[in-house]
Order: sequence, then structure tokens, then C-alpha cells
Amino acid sequence: DAKTTQPNSMESNEEEPVHLPCNHSTISGTDYIHWYRQLPSQGPEYVIHGLTSNVNNRMASLAIAEDRKSSTLILHRATLRDAAVYYCILRDVSAGGTSYGKLTFGQGTILTVHP
Amino acid sequence: DTEVTQTPKHLVMGMTNKKSLKCEQHMGHRAMYWYKQKAKKPPELMFVYSYEKLSINESVPSRFSPECPNSSLLNLHLHALQPEDSALYLCASSHGGPSGAGNTIYFGEGSWLTVV
Repeated sequence: DAKTTQPNSMESNEEEPVHLPCNHSTISGTDYIHWYRQLPSQGPEYVIHGLTSNVNNRMASLAIAEDRKSSTLILHRATLRDAAVYYCILRDVSAGGTSYGKLTFGQGTILTVHP
Repeated sequence: DTEVTQTPKHLVMGMTNKKSLKCEQHMGHRAMYWYKQKAKKPPELMFVYSYEKLSINESVPSRFSPECPNSSLLNLHLHALQPEDSALYLCASSHGGPSGAGNTIYFGEGSWLTVV
């Protein structure tokens, strides 16, 4: 499975933007880039995903490099409720592949938000 | 309703006990998953069911036995567990099918299992 590399931790101040980087240099053409987050004592929660183009939703934006070897999750205005572990995950879309449909978590980035 | 419900929230069991974890979703999803998460570690995939058939088993020991009785329910039967199996067990679901890899996976809050 293609792997991702994220910083172990990042800090931000409340109401400031946060840019969470992710490197995935071995990404294949059939891998979607997914971001999930896990708040304390909860199950992981979907944030956003994309394939090639930048994506926006009500929670965040996803900026994908042109060569797809890296991506950045952007939280436009961090709140205290955004403090969580953020996971960048590659998910194989090629039907029949051994990793088809699997969501394999890496170590993630622990985001701390200061008031 | 975008909810995956897991019961029980907490379970303590002895090494000779047989118990089950239950998971339910009513979103019409046809793919369901079991993950295991140890403290301060990321979730690890255990099993994937697609259209009620087991499609992925990540070499999980046979003391963990999954079951998908219908499209809304997923069970994890536990027998002869070891203390190192103590962890948070997460159930999840998503739309199955050929485009499934691009679809959102919804997680439950998990069942905290302690083996004594």
C-alpha cells in the first residue's frame, strides 16, 4: 500500500488558519486522498477527500499538488473543537486490487489549538 | 441519519469468556468494517464485509470471528481472548460497490474492550 508521511504534531491559535501537510510520494493513479480526524474518545470522522483537483467543503479545503505527491488540508479558522488527530490516507479505487476499498491509517498529526 | 451504533460501549471479559460486539447502521450501506485501535495508535483494519460477504481479513487470529447477518448488522464474536487484545474496537460502514473507494466511511464511537 502507498504510504503517507505527516508531521507528528502541529499547533495553532484559535481563529487562525491551519495548514496540515501530507507527503505521499508513492501514490498511484488509482489512489484517492482522504482526510479523517479523530477527536478524543470518539471514532474517526470524515473530513474531505479528492483525487486530482482541489476540493472544498463546509469543514475544510484540500489542496493537491499537481504531481499528486503531496497534499495539504486547510482549516480556514481553527476552533478549539478542531483539536484532534488528523489522518491523511490513500485509498485504492482500482477494483480487484488487493487493497481495494481499504482505508489504512498512518500515525497522523496531533493538532493542538490554543485559545 | 448518518449514524453507526455500537454496543456495548464498554466490555470487560475474562480470557475464557465468549462475548460479542454489535454494530448497526441504517444508511443502506453495503460495506461494513471492523477496526482495532490500541491506545495512542492509529486504527488498524481487521475485516471488511461487502454485500454481506467477507472480502478482507487482515490475518486476524481466529479468536475474533466476524459475522454479517444482514446488510444493517455486523457482529464480532470474541472467544479465548488475551489481555493484549484489550483495545477500542471500531465499526464502520460505507456505500459498497465498484466506486466504493471514493466513498465516505462512517465510524461508530467504538466499544472499549478490556480482557482480564
